[in-house]
Amino acid sequence: QSALTQPASVSGSPGQSITISCTGTSSDVGGYNYVSWYQQLPDRAPKLMIYDVSNRPSGVSNRFSGSKSGNTASLTISGLQVEDEADYYCSSYTSSSTYVFGTGTKVTVL
Amino acid sequence: EVQLVQSGGGLVQPGGSLRLSCAASGFTVSSNYMSWVRQPPGKGLEWVSLIYSGGTTYYADSVKGRFTISRDNSKNTLYLQMNSLRAEDTAVYYCARGGWLNWGQGTLVTVSS
Repeated sequence: QSALTQPASVSGSPGQSITISCTGTSSDVGGYNYVSWYQQLPDRAPKLMIYDVSNRPSGVSNRFSGSKSGNTASLTISGLQVEDEADYYCSSYTSSSTYVFGTGTKVTVL
Repeated sequence: EVQLVQSGGGLVQPGGSLRLSCAASGFTVSSNYMSWVRQPPGKGLEWVSLIYSGGTTYYADSVKGRFTISRDNSKNTLYLQMNSLRAEDTAVYYCARGGWLNWGQGTLVTVSS
């Protein structure tokens, strides 16, 4: 199972919006609405930000939103803040009843 | 409060074995699907294994035949038995509750001679 493809890095200024893409295949992202997004700070466990493509867990800022079109899912961070600087990963359920993670994206706030 | 507390990491020689534990509180392990995810130093996340509430297990191709996921319902604890360890298995290993909301703190496994 190949990792989902994410851009290595995305940057933006405070207040701007950025979007991170997560591209898979019809056997994972495109085939199921089980895409999740995680934020990982240095030396910390991942934190769930979005589940089932577009749902936010309780306590996650509404500045984070998710969507999907075909085999590509996207995470948008609106009103970018300094504390959003972190690594972001996507994951998807697959047709093999397993999961696959994305390659990861480093978000830099300029 | 839901908590996952991991233990069992460390340094092991190539070809050796190690068992990781993930003790849960605030929910019942056997009623949820549970996963192991690993992260090599400086690299991305890799899904490793999954056990469903019914007991069905799945593994990444990279660990199939070497790793075994299991649980002890009486201890409400998830395990990952790792055999025939290789240098490329060196990583921080995380346990996670189904739905990915709750994660353990991570434990480092280093495979080196």
